[in-house]
Amino acid sequence: GQQLNQSPQSMFIQEGEDVSMNCTSSSIFNTWLWYKQDPGEGPVLLIALYKAGELTSNGRLTAQFGITRKDSFLNISASIPSDVGIYFCAGRDGSSNTGKLIFGQGTTLQVKP
Amino acid sequence: NAGVMQNPRHLVRRRGQEARLRCSPMKGHSHVYWYRQLPEEGLKFMVYLQKENIIDESGMPKERFSAEFPKEGPSILRIQQVVRGDSAAYFCASSPYPNPGSEAFFGQGTRLTVV
Repeated sequence: GQQLNQSPQSMFIQEGEDVSMNCTSSSIFNTWLWYKQDPGEGPVLLIALYKAGELTSNGRLTAQFGITRKDSFLNISASIPSDVGIYFCAGRDGSSNTGKLIFGQGTTLQVKP
Repeated sequence: NAGVMQNPRHLVRRRGQEARLRCSPMKGHSHVYWYRQLPEEGLKFMVYLQKENIIDESGMPKERFSAEFPKEGPSILRIQQVVRGDSAAYFCASSPYPNPGSEAFFGQGTRLTVV
């Protein structure tokens, strides 16, 4: 089945640093989403991308839909302690009209004040 | 406007018992998805339902698992004769319709522990 490879698996950075994580798929997707999950909570949508090449920002977060439609990245600028959590990429391929998502394995982010 | 409500938040069952997980979608949402998250892994799609209909159950195990979304009341994910491998967080998400642009909202999940 389809899989998403997300990297890095974990990151430990200093407050104020920029962060970058990415996701690649084995097949073409028509939607890329980035979520954040805090401990004991459900995923919360950060950014949604629907067109190849699309670059979208949400505050200090920026994400891009790769032009090959098989990858996406998320950047966080000037990290702060509340950025701590697990970040997931998720995608939807064109063959599905049901809205179901395929998730990456997650990137655990820790920020040192 | 309350979000997606799942209960219970935590559920402990002995091997062989039944687990019933409930999900009340956001007001006005008639599409419900169930996902399972094993420890330190991403979410895996299980089933997609609309009111009174199962649309896509391609991620559901063939045995012991079932889901419903009745005309009235919450969506229910039922796991019969639970085993230790069923221990996971189960998330429900709801949306007004399944098309891109109306992404689903997730609940806080039910953490099932089988002892």
